[in-house]
Amino acid sequence: EPEVTQTPSHQVTQMGQEVILRCVPISNHLYFYWYRQILGQKVEFLVSFYNNEISEKSEIFDDQFSVERPDGSNFTLKIRSTKLEDSAMYFCASSEGRAFEQYFGPGTRLTVT
Amino acid sequence: AQKVTQAQTEISVVEKEDVTLDCVYETRDTTYYLFWYKQPPSGELVFLIRRNSFDEQNEISGRYSWNFQKSTSSFNFTITASQVVDSAVYFCALSEAISNFGNEKLTFGTGTRLTIIP
Repeated sequence: EPEVTQTPSHQVTQMGQEVILRCVPISNHLYFYWYRQILGQKVEFLVSFYNNEISEKSEIFDDQFSVERPDGSNFTLKIRSTKLEDSAMYFCASSEGRAFEQYFGPGTRLTVT
Repeated sequence: AQKVTQAQTEISVVEKEDVTLDCVYETRDTTYYLFWYKQPPSGELVFLIRRNSFDEQNEISGRYSWNFQKSTSSFNFTITASQVVDSAVYFCALSEAISNFGNEKLTFGTGTRLTIIP
């Protein structure tokens, strides 16, 4: 069964460093998303992406964040200068169409020290 | 603005008991979609069900059933004859259909941690 994959599973970085989180969505899906979940809290929407551009972004997704689909398979989230409060689990998701169910990857746990 | 409320923070039941997880939502749209996701201790988010606002029929899938009532803005989830493997955090989520071209983000509730006691 096709699945969303994410790498790395765990990333530790120092405050102020840049990190890139990688995702490979399900191959025939056209809509891509990033969400984050601070430990023990709810899942929060960050950004959605379709047709090589951002469709919507939340207030969390400020200028420090960017997304890219550099080739036909990868979908990346970059945080330019990490802060302590960026520590969270970051989930990538993809869906076949608008309002279709979103399938989530296993997540990348980002720890900023 | 869309909002999802899961008032039950934690529930514990003995194995084989039935349990219902509550979800109440708020939206101004007439077209919207409701979802349930399961987050087991391993941390991934597992899709369980999607329901659109025009389909109020209840759904049953094995031991799982869902009760959608627009009149009370609720989309409750029942597990029958619970098993230890059902122990997880369960999230209810909502997405609104937007009229222009684009995606629909998911707005999640705060989740209900379900513990099944053997």
